[in-house]
Amino acid sequence: QQPVQSPQAVILREGEDAVINCSSSKALYSVHWYRQKHGEAPVFLMILLKGGEQKGHEKISASFNEKKQQSSLYLTASQLSYSGTYFCGTESGSARQLTFGSGTQLTVLP
Amino acid sequence: NAGVMQNPRHLVRRRGQEARLRCSPMKGHSHVYWYRQLPEEGLKFMVYLQKENIIDESGMPKERFSAEFPKEGPSILRIQQVVRGDSAAYFCASSPSSSEAFFGQGTRLTVV
Repeated sequence: QQPVQSPQAVILREGEDAVINCSSSKALYSVHWYRQKHGEAPVFLMILLKGGEQKGHEKISASFNEKKQQSSLYLTASQLSYSGTYFCGTESGSARQLTFGSGTQLTVLP
Repeated sequence: NAGVMQNPRHLVRRRGQEARLRCSPMKGHSHVYWYRQLPEEGLKFMVYLQKENIIDESGMPKERFSAEFPKEGPSILRIQQVVRGDSAAYFCASSPSSSEAFFGQGTRLTVV
């Protein structure tokens, strides 16, 4: 069963913040975040392992709440280059393949 | 260190023909995953392979689709007797273990 992402789409102005959520009904081993621009390959952003850690990558960070089986991606002071579709991929149980959510389309306007 | 290489980037096939999609993982990566993406949709898992072994093919259609990852050479996703519904972008990803997976540029298959 695929994770649920919200919101489905968000439009921001440059410099604004955004939060993208990813939740699963399964016990998760890890959560992976990717960004995909139209017509291109998904690009790896970060991985979070169970343990409730938070990671940062410049102005993009993420958290993983193991109890809620939920991860959130935080984009602060968004830039035009942040535009794209963000996917969370989850690993659960013994399965090592990623199951992806349906994506959140982020548009940053000047 | 070259990234994940997929070829061809674009493939056009007539209904009933065969499509062969190739994926060379990053150096040192022994795990390969194939995903299918329809326009404006997410990535759907198809198959997970390690060298000479299919680990999980739960996302593969039961008929016409097969995948392999031989000891030498690239991983191959093979679609026999293609139909219009097979038109999609097919992405391959590789990882060294159960860590981050890196995606290739994809093969865009069009069935006419």
